[in-house]
Amino acid sequence: EAGVTQSPTHLIKTRGQQATLRCSPISGHTSVYWYQQALGLGLQFLLWYDEGEERNRGNFPPRFSGRQFPNYSSELNVNALELEDSALYLCATATGGTPLPYEQYFGPGTRLTVT
Amino acid sequence: AQTVTQSQPEMSVQEAETVTLSCTYDTSENNYYLFWYKQPPSRQMILVIRQEAYKQQNATENRFSVNFQKAAKSFSLKISDSQLGDTAMYFCAFMAALTNKLIFGTGTLLAVQP
Repeated sequence: EAGVTQSPTHLIKTRGQQATLRCSPISGHTSVYWYQQALGLGLQFLLWYDEGEERNRGNFPPRFSGRQFPNYSSELNVNALELEDSALYLCATATGGTPLPYEQYFGPGTRLTVT
Repeated sequence: AQTVTQSQPEMSVQEAETVTLSCTYDTSENNYYLFWYKQPPSRQMILVIRQEAYKQQNATENRFSVNFQKAAKSFSLKISDSQLGDTAMYFCAFMAALTNKLIFGTGTLLAVQP
């Protein structure tokens, strides 16, 4: 069974540009989570999508947005990139939303570098 | 707001020995879940063990076990018979029920020495 996949592996952008990161879930998983792993800030929750709807959002500005497609894959968009957006962005997927927190399976991440 | 604290940035253990990683958390929630995740060097994060707050019995997964002290808000991970493959960053995480949002500690880098 294929695991969670993310693309691209690395992404280099300049300040002010937009970045799009993609995540494909494990077959049968309907929930997608995005986390940011930045140096000095640790792992922080960004967004949760389930059945195409945004269910929860972390303390990030609106320029961080995303969507989930009918096939349950997801995109994370970061507009007006800032230097501090440089981080490893992890996607995780799970079989369900509520009420039980099903195990989240993580992808390998996308390393975003903003110059 | 919930917080998770891991006070040991780095630890080292000899192969075959036992090591305990500490984690404390702060929450006013009564219904929540606790997790330990492992992130090996340049590899994907994987779940090691999970504990439901309503369960008094400590979770165990093979060589990994936890000591869950709800009143003290403490959730330590014990690794028995340490193996070289246990070398990784270990993250303690909290999730309040119905949020599905993992709140991570800053991690403990564990090195298993041969």
